[in-house]
Amino acid sequence: GQQVMQIPQYQHVQEGEDFTTYCNSSTTLSNIQWYKQRPGGHPVFLIQLVKSGEVKKQKRLTFQFGEAKKNSSLHITATQTTDVGTYFCAGDAGGTSYGKLTFGQGTILTVHP
Amino acid sequence: NAGVTQTPKFRVLKTGQSMTLLCAQDMNHEYMYWYRQDPGMGLRLIHYSVGEGTTAKGEVPDGYNVSRLKKQNFLLGLESAAPSQTSVYFCASMRGNNQPQHFGDGTRLSIL
Repeated sequence: GQQVMQIPQYQHVQEGEDFTTYCNSSTTLSNIQWYKQRPGGHPVFLIQLVKSGEVKKQKRLTFQFGEAKKNSSLHITATQTTDVGTYFCAGDAGGTSYGKLTFGQGTILTVHP
Repeated sequence: NAGVTQTPKFRVLKTGQSMTLLCAQDMNHEYMYWYRQDPGMGLRLIHYSVGEGTTAKGEVPDGYNVSRLKKQNFLLGLESAAPSQTSVYFCASMRGNNQPQHFGDGTRLSIL
């Protein structure tokens, strides 16, 4: 079945440093979504990427979808303490998947002030 | 605006006991999902539903059953709880394909 691998599992940064998490799917995706989960909270949708090579920005966050639609990345510029949490990518195979998402293992980000 | 509501929030069970987790959404979404979250493993899909009266198996369905008798509710049942089912369970709903999923606050379940 479809697998989505995400690295790194943990990332510790000083406030102001940049952060990147990478996601790789075993199969070509219809779209990829990114979610953020604060400690003790639930996943919250950040963004969806659909097109090959797509790049989207949300303030300090930059999301990329690979040309082959099998990999993606999330980059945060100048991290802040409010960025703390676990970031998940989730791949949608499309077709008759009925929106089923395969989640990566997540990257836990801690930010030291 | 409640969104997705899960009950209960916490529960401790003994091995062999049964229980039902309730998920309710007030957004008139067609699709609903049950996930379990374990450390280092992301979220894994247990069962899902694409509409009232329909259910289907996800990645890790063994030991669980589900029902969707009403569009707004999706129930997850554990018939005979096992320690391996200790986890955090999340319910999510989605309006349709290529839409974001909206998650509930989760149910933290411990089985002794």
